[in-house]
Order: sequence, then C-alpha cells, then structure tokens
Amino acid sequence: QSVLTQPPSVSGAPGQRVTISCTGSSSNIGAGYDVHWYQQFPGTAPKLLIYGNNNRPSGVPDRFSGSKSGTSASLAITGLQAEDEADYYCQSYDSSLSGWVFGGGTKLTVL
Amino acid sequence: EVQLLESGGGLVQPGGSLRLSCAASGFTFSSNAMSWVRQAPGKGLEWVSTISASGGSTYYADSVKGRFTISRDNSKNTLYLQMNSLRGEDTAVYFCAKADRTTVTTAFDYWGQGTLVTVSS
Repeated sequence: QSVLTQPPSVSGAPGQRVTISCTGSSSNIGAGYDVHWYQQFPGTAPKLLIYGNNNRPSGVPDRFSGSKSGTSASLAITGLQAEDEADYYCQSYDSSLSGWVFGGGTKLTVL
Repeated sequence: EVQLLESGGGLVQPGGSLRLSCAASGFTFSSNAMSWVRQAPGKGLEWVSTISASGGSTYYADSVKGRFTISRDNSKNTLYLQMNSLRGEDTAVYFCAKADRTTVTTAFDYWGQGTLVTVSS
C-alpha cells in the first residue's frame, strides 16, 4: 500500500489528453512538500519528468504538465503519442515517515 | 554529462550480506545528496535511503532500518549501500539517484541503470 495513491492504469487514443492523479495526505502533499513525476519504460531507469509540482527539465516536451492542489497532484499529457506509453510515478516527502515516498505507479496505454 | 554506474548486485542467500557501489561522474559529487531507490520485480519504486552531501546525515526507510547502511566516499565519487540480514523481500533492482537540491523537497534528477539483487536459497 503506497503512501501516495495513483490509479493503476489509464489509457487514451493518440492526440487525446490524459491525466494521472496522485493523492496524498496532510503529512506529504498537503503539508506543502513538492511533488515530482517520473516516466519509466520497461527495463530502464526512471526519468525525471516534472519537478517542483509543475516544472519541466530541459528536453521534456511541453505536452507534459503538472499541477498540485491541497492533498493531491496531477500529471497531464496532451497530444498523446504512442511513445508516451510507459509507467508514471509521483513522488514527495512525508514528514510522518521522515522519508521520501512514491506513488504505486500508473501504466499509460496509448490505444 | 552526469553518469551513475551501479555495481555489486547478485545472488545472495537469506541472511547474507552484499555491498552495492555507485560510481558518479559529470557533476560535483561532494555537493549533492544521494539516494538509493529499489524496485521489486513487477512492482513500483520504493525509496530506500538517502545520505547528505557531506555524509553527516543519513536517512532510511523503515523496511531497511537497522539492516542497511548508506555511506559515501567523496574522494572517490562513490556511493555505497551495505546490506546485511538480507530477506527475500529485498529482492529488487537497486538504483542510485542524485538529489537535485539539498532540502527534503528534493527530486531525483539523475538515475543509474540499476543493479539486480536476488535473495534466495
């Protein structure tokens, strides 16, 4: 059971917009700690996709965006492409656990 | 170019020990906190441990506290994870990751390719 809750899977057709939610609590996202998002393809290392709730590292397309409100955060992907099919993880810090926490991951399928 | 290269994984019996290493290059290693994150087969990411830039502060997930020890040698640009009393549930790919800032709000901005640890008799 992950501290941050994500839907196990989402799907969308090419060109569509999908969102992935990340629900936390008052000891992590709700406490004001930043949320970060990672993209992972099978058999490879995770890649930082969004940092500090809504910032994109250099090289990440602007089709990817992040937002945060209250105890939740979301990753939005617009103009869905086949190459976006991957696993996505949110991450934050939890003051109750005194450690860093990840969501359980969401598998994105491009139909 | 930032590079993180893990080594030291392998097959170990339950109760055994293993030491992982992560050789870093392409950035000022001594200025950045570093972490270990693991991923069990077919499962999600799990934070394991973090060490401050100087090595003076260390943090552990409850699941490994008392069994794992994180350390670093800034003169060798190398991060370590000493794993003792290994259990089947420690079986995972272990990634080293660089912190992008010095506060708890850090993200992990660069990752190694991972090294597989299998705990089995």
